[in-house]
Amino acid sequence: LAKTTQPISMDSYEGQEVNITCSHNNIATNDYITWYQQFPSQGPRFIIQGYKTKVTNEVASLFIPADRKSSTLSLPRVSLSDTAVYYCLVGDSFGGGYQKVTFGTGTKLQVIP
Amino acid sequence: SAVISQKPSRDICQRGTSLTIQCQVDSQVTMMFWYRQQPGQSLTLIATANQGSEATYESGFVIDKFPISRPNLTFSTLTVSNMSPEDSSIYLCSVELSKGFNYGYTFGSGTRLTVV
Repeated sequence: LAKTTQPISMDSYEGQEVNITCSHNNIATNDYITWYQQFPSQGPRFIIQGYKTKVTNEVASLFIPADRKSSTLSLPRVSLSDTAVYYCLVGDSFGGGYQKVTFGTGTKLQVIP
Repeated sequence: SAVISQKPSRDICQRGTSLTIQCQVDSQVTMMFWYRQQPGQSLTLIATANQGSEATYESGFVIDKFPISRPNLTFSTLTVSNMSPEDSSIYLCSVELSKGFNYGYTFGSGTRLTVV
């Protein structure tokens, strides 16, 4: 399983764009990159997933360079409700199409009024 | 996407006792996963439960301590046996986000266990 490294914590003011970068130097060819968000007293929630280039949904954008050794989660115009821990995951397949995932330390994002 | 109901949401237990945590999914899923999240820490995978077979445990976790049942495609239980204060954690179950979506998962809200 590829190990991920991301900043332990970040602070941002409301309304700013936040970029959280994750490095995964040992990513394998079949690995996908997935980001989860976790609020206190809740389970992680799937945010976005990608394999290469750029992926955008209603919540965030995910930028993956050509070498796939890193990825950047971009949250546009954050609000106080975006204060959470964000996990970058890279997983491999069980062989039946199911990806075994390993959670890293996560990045604790604190949005400041 | 799949919806998970996990019970109990929290419990305070005496050391030496056991607690069984239930995970109910609103759709049939092949694989169910159990995680532990110690206070202020990240999630650690305990085991993977496939219906009809023995659960597969990760390094550091054993069946005698964390027996798992998986009687059908929508339900699983995790038992924390002979508890000690070190078992105080949040325990979460997880399943695939939606049928056929093999690379994303949804999680229950967790069971916050305190052992005294």
